[in-house]
Amino acid sequence: DTGVSQDPRHKITKRGQNVTFRCDPISEHNRLYWYRQTLGQGPEFLTYFQNEAQLEKSRLLSDRFSAERPKGSFSTLEIQRTEQGDSAMYLCASSSTGGGRYNEQFFGPGTRLTVL
Amino acid sequence: QQQVKQSPQSLIVQKGGISIINCAYENTAFDYFPWYQQFPGKGPALLIAIRPDVSEKKEGRFTISFNKSAKQFSLHIMDSQPGDSATYFCAASRSNDYKLSFGAGTTVTVRA
Repeated sequence: DTGVSQDPRHKITKRGQNVTFRCDPISEHNRLYWYRQTLGQGPEFLTYFQNEAQLEKSRLLSDRFSAERPKGSFSTLEIQRTEQGDSAMYLCASSSTGGGRYNEQFFGPGTRLTVL
Repeated sequence: QQQVKQSPQSLIVQKGGISIINCAYENTAFDYFPWYQQFPGKGPALLIAIRPDVSEKKEGRFTISFNKSAKQFSLHIMDSQPGDSATYFCAASRSNDYKLSFGAGTTVTVRA
């Protein structure tokens, strides 16, 4: 399977714990995006990378959130000191800037986080 | 601040009928307008996309209509099938970053 993969698919944690999610993009894609989706809402942009450079972070991304993309390959999203309001589906998407279908973003299946 | 407003929140259509979902945006810098389909437990998947230099785009049973002056666009699903039952999201972005702003979604139920 050459699509976007995310791990884990589900994570249950207690308030105050740290969690880390991983995203493996489509191998030739140089852009990688993170979104957060709460129940009944559309995904909201969090941050994006072009290769290893983090180009933008949303104001939604508090200081407790950090994302990395070492060597421009996989990416990790870490949430420190989780809060119940962090419970959501975290989606990763990747795309290519090489033209074609309007730089289509391919989404992974998401990581569902539940903070107790 | 929601940059893309979507309606209706849900709709029910009979098999073979037409589903219509509407979206409106404010940011005139947006120049890329995709529609995504999402099934429960899955990530969104691109259905069809349009740029503002055309007023309509059709791919199979799916058609986007775009009205640049009104800052509105819509998705028409023709000959709706039970397999089309899903949540549909409109989105918009600028072509410098393709950072997507999504609508709140429309849950479509197709009754056999």
